[in-house]
Parts: sequence; structure tokens; C-alpha cells
Amino acid sequence: DAGITQSPRYKITETGRQVTLMCHQTWSHSYMFWYRQDLGHGLRLIYYSAAADITDKGEVPDGYVVSRSKTENFPLTLESATRSQTSVYFCASSGTGIGYGYTFGSGTRLTVV
Amino acid sequence: GNSVTQMEGPVTLSEEAFLTINCTYTATGYPSLFWYVQYPGEGLQLLLKATKADDKGSNKGFEATYRKETTSFHLEKGSVQVSDSAVYFCALSDPGGNNRLAFGKGNQVVVIP
Repeated sequence: DAGITQSPRYKITETGRQVTLMCHQTWSHSYMFWYRQDLGHGLRLIYYSAAADITDKGEVPDGYVVSRSKTENFPLTLESATRSQTSVYFCASSGTGIGYGYTFGSGTRLTVV
Repeated sequence: GNSVTQMEGPVTLSEEAFLTINCTYTATGYPSLFWYVQYPGEGLQLLLKATKADDKGSNKGFEATYRKETTSFHLEKGSVQVSDSAVYFCALSDPGGNNRLAFGKGNQVVVIP
């Protein structure tokens, strides 16, 4: 099915562990994004990518790593999870051109204990 | 830089009432403007958009007009239903062309039967 899928949907991990959140899109969109959503902070951009092998930092990149070896995948890795990284993470993709909005995944709810 | 401001606080109203959510923006150039909706437990979905001044975006009974003179893109619906209960986000695209969106903080809308 066409779309953007995130996995896992829910994840509980321990402080200090590495965890990877997956994002896969089937449209061959050039742009992909990772956001976190927290009460009181709205959506905050972590990293984004304009194409395969091109990534850049957003507002809150510390503690996160991304890669984009293929256009369709954009995994987000928390190298050493901390409790402050407990959040809901959303992946989004976008084509190019004026007025091209984002399509969001359903999110991953991550709890760091 | 580019930014979006949404009115503070949740909005609570009765079924069939008129809904307005204010959105004003600051941007250089000519951004595209968007409204996204987030239902409980889901990702954001594009509700409507406008790409140039005086354009009106509409979808599912919601409307918003791109007003360059007042730098606004207020969302309206004439008669809300309980199913419209959600969080609504205003966003604008970076006219510089890197496909980044600037999001407002969002407004929780609760419709009471």
C-alpha cells in the first residue's frame, strides 16, 4: 500500500540503550522529516533530509542520529536514550514544488524508563 | 525568520456552533499556508491549503482565506460536529524552497454534544 509507515508504534526502552525508529515512504518523495511532539512544545523538527545521502539538523538534533541511504527510508536513532527523549515521534515526507505539504506517519510513542 | 502564531488555549464549543481559529504569520516572500488536523492517537493530516494571496482553501466544511494584507489564514467552520474534536495546526512553507514548514503550537478543539 502506498503511504508512509512508522515502526514500531509503541516502544519502551531503558535509559542508555540505543533505539532506532523506522520510517518508510512509498511515494519516492525527496524530502523526509523527523519531529517530536511534546505537550507545551508543539512539533519540533529534529532532522530533515532533502534527498538520499543529504541530511541536516533541525531545532533539536542533540542525542539523535539519522541516515538516508535510500530515498524511501529515513531511520532515526537515539544513541543513548534519556528520559527527556520520552515523546511521540512523527516522520513526514514531501515532494518538491510550491504548496507541497507534508504527509505524516502515524507516529511512534517512545517511553524511556 | 518565518513563524506562525495561533491563538492561545483550547477551544470548547457546542455542536453546531461556529468555529474560528486564528492564525497569523511572519514571512519574507510569498509562502504557502496550510492547516493540519490531528485526531487523537493519530498523525497530522493536511486539511486545506492556499498557495497565493486571496486563495481560499476548503475541505470538509472548513475554510481559510490567505490574507496578505493582514498576514492571516484563519480557519472557520460554520457548524461543528463532535467528530471535529481534534488539534488544529497552522503552518507555512519556507519561500526559500527547502520544503520546510513552520508550524504553530496548535489549538485543541473540543466539541460538546
